[in-house]
Amino acid sequence: QKEVEQDPGPLSVPEGAIVSLNCTYSNSAFQYFMWYRQYSRKGPELLMYTYSSGNKEDGRFTAQVDKSSKYISLFIRDSQPSDSATYLCAMKPGNAGNMLTFGGGTRLMVKP
Amino acid sequence: ETGVTQSPTHLIKTRGQQVTLRCSSQSGHNTVSWYQQALGQGPQFIFQYYREEENGRGNFPPRFSGLQFPNYSSELNVNALELDDSALYLCASSLVGRGTDTQYFGPGTRLTVL
Repeated sequence: QKEVEQDPGPLSVPEGAIVSLNCTYSNSAFQYFMWYRQYSRKGPELLMYTYSSGNKEDGRFTAQVDKSSKYISLFIRDSQPSDSATYLCAMKPGNAGNMLTFGGGTRLMVKP
Repeated sequence: ETGVTQSPTHLIKTRGQQVTLRCSSQSGHNTVSWYQQALGQGPQFIFQYYREEENGRGNFPPRFSGLQFPNYSSELNVNALELDDSALYLCASSLVGRGTDTQYFGPGTRLTVL
């Protein structure tokens, strides 16, 4: 079993929809949680960075962390075709330096 | 402020050969990490360099090695290439020790081993 599980999709939604992306994890030592967006043939781009449990909002994006359930989510409001990409969750313990553990990614398609 | 750059973009090698991939960190960053991303998978941490020393390693064999130079550029070397080494190799740089350690990724080098 992988440390971080993520539904690979693809997830197809109409433009303007609210998108929910999720990851579950097994390592209770994880304290820092990130969401990256990766377009085809590009490197991952950081979208959200959160520490411990709680919510964080940035524009159309909201990240939620529930450490008691070992479950994190990314919500995208008013989704746009330009949001079509693969979304990767990543996480690390407090003492892991830069060693991120990634999920496998969810491919999102937003149709006009 | 310049971003993270990697070279070459694509590379084709045959099994048993050796390869060197290069990364130029974002200006001002002192730490570089390398990741391997197989097709359809998330990136897997290979190792991290800070002040020219390896200070963290994932589950990769010793034939994966690296260097970090005083100007914070970096190399990833892979010896005795295997077919399973075919992947996108990502470099990420960050500034550790200044209250933030956000990693910024380069576009990657796509390695194909035949």
